[in-house]
Amino acid sequence: KAGVTQTPRYLIKTRGQQVTLSCSPISGHRSVSWYQQTPGQGLQFLFEYFSETQRNKGNFPGRFSGRQFSNSRSEMNVSTLELGDSALYLCASSLDRYEQYFGPGTRLTVT
Amino acid sequence: DAKTTQPPSMDCAEGRAANLPCNHSTISGNEYVYWYRQIHSQGPQYIIHGLKNNETNEMASLIITEDRKSSTLILPHATLRDTAVYYCIVRVARNAGNMLTFGGGTRLMVKP
Repeated sequence: KAGVTQTPRYLIKTRGQQVTLSCSPISGHRSVSWYQQTPGQGLQFLFEYFSETQRNKGNFPGRFSGRQFSNSRSEMNVSTLELGDSALYLCASSLDRYEQYFGPGTRLTVT
Repeated sequence: DAKTTQPPSMDCAEGRAANLPCNHSTISGNEYVYWYRQIHSQGPQYIIHGLKNNETNEMASLIITEDRKSSTLILPHATLRDTAVYYCIVRVARNAGNMLTFGGGTRLMVKP
């Protein structure tokens, strides 16, 4: 079974721009969660989608948004990028309730 | 979800058992103990989870104390590839959400 895939793997953007990251979950998984990892804050939960609906949301500003499509693929968008948004963005998928499977992440650098 | 306390770092000799402790003294009756690990620059990897009985799989064993206030993850024969940050997470397994709250974890260094 193919794992969670994330595209792109690396991205460089300029302050003020916006960015869209994509995540394809494991086949059959309906839950997709997004996390941000930085050296200072560690791994932090952004939001979770299940059956195209946002089910949980972490403590991030409204510049961070996401969506899920009918095939369970998910995208997250960050608008008006700030230097502090430089991070590894991780996506995880789950059948639900138990273990989550993480993708390799997208490393975003904001200059 | 209950909070966890882990030592920030540990060393282990290659081929020996690595025993990683986790304290979760405020755990509730319906909360599970999960372990994930993150090898440098990769996404976290699920290892094992349990409620109150000890659990074992191909990767590790999980020992939970009878009062459930602490647990130990055991890697029976650590290899260099087990060098990673290990996260102990306590959460309710539920249909209404999959949010994981990561702490600082334990950085395990396996040495030859």
